[in-house]
Amino acid sequence: SQKIEQNSEALNIQEGKTATLTCNYTNYSPAYLQWYRQDPGRGPVFLLLIRENEKEKRKERLKVTFDTTLKQSLFHITASQPADSATYLCALTSSLTGRRALTFGSGTRLQVQP
Amino acid sequence: SAVISQKPSRDICQRGTSLTIQCQVDSQVTMMFWYRQQPGQSLTLIATANQGSEATYESGFVIDKFPISRPNLTFSTLTVSNMSPEDSSIYLCSVGTTGISTDTQYFGPGTRLTVL
Repeated sequence: SQKIEQNSEALNIQEGKTATLTCNYTNYSPAYLQWYRQDPGRGPVFLLLIRENEKEKRKERLKVTFDTTLKQSLFHITASQPADSATYLCALTSSLTGRRALTFGSGTRLQVQP
Repeated sequence: SAVISQKPSRDICQRGTSLTIQCQVDSQVTMMFWYRQQPGQSLTLIATANQGSEATYESGFVIDKFPISRPNLTFSTLTVSNMSPEDSSIYLCSVGTTGISTDTQYFGPGTRLTVL
């Protein structure tokens, strides 16, 4: 069955360090992969999208990599700040089914300590 | 980007009753979706709300339990029928922005439902 896995344990890092979050998937042929941020009591907010033929995408302090061979995406936040503390979700759209809806991973909670 | 509002923001309901959640978008959008997020869990897609036709439900969700309306391109409702405590969850609507190669979604703030 299709599965998206993110580290369920919270990631605690010191301010200024780089946070790296992992998203692994199985039995998917994603057209693209997206990362969202969710704060408590709020809906997810789109951060970055990377297509299956792209290896890396950057936006300010954010960087996403996508390895379709390993079936893995890494999400990096450089020079992390306490304001980056949130839950980060990866989401996939399958190219096989043509569905436009997203399937989300369970999310990883990031805590940046000042 | 789209601005999405939901009503109510939260509600506490009795078992066996129904609640209708409204989702309003500030621009016309083709795709609208309804998700459920149970406590401590990720988002699960309930259905795709189709304008002018019946919603497309995901496995495990049925129209009798979660009827959806989509009368136009800016509005949708989700009803949670005959509620039980297991329906306690956050319900989120989202809209998809389809470009040439992107399907980014924008989410509403969610409706927190507690069923007693």
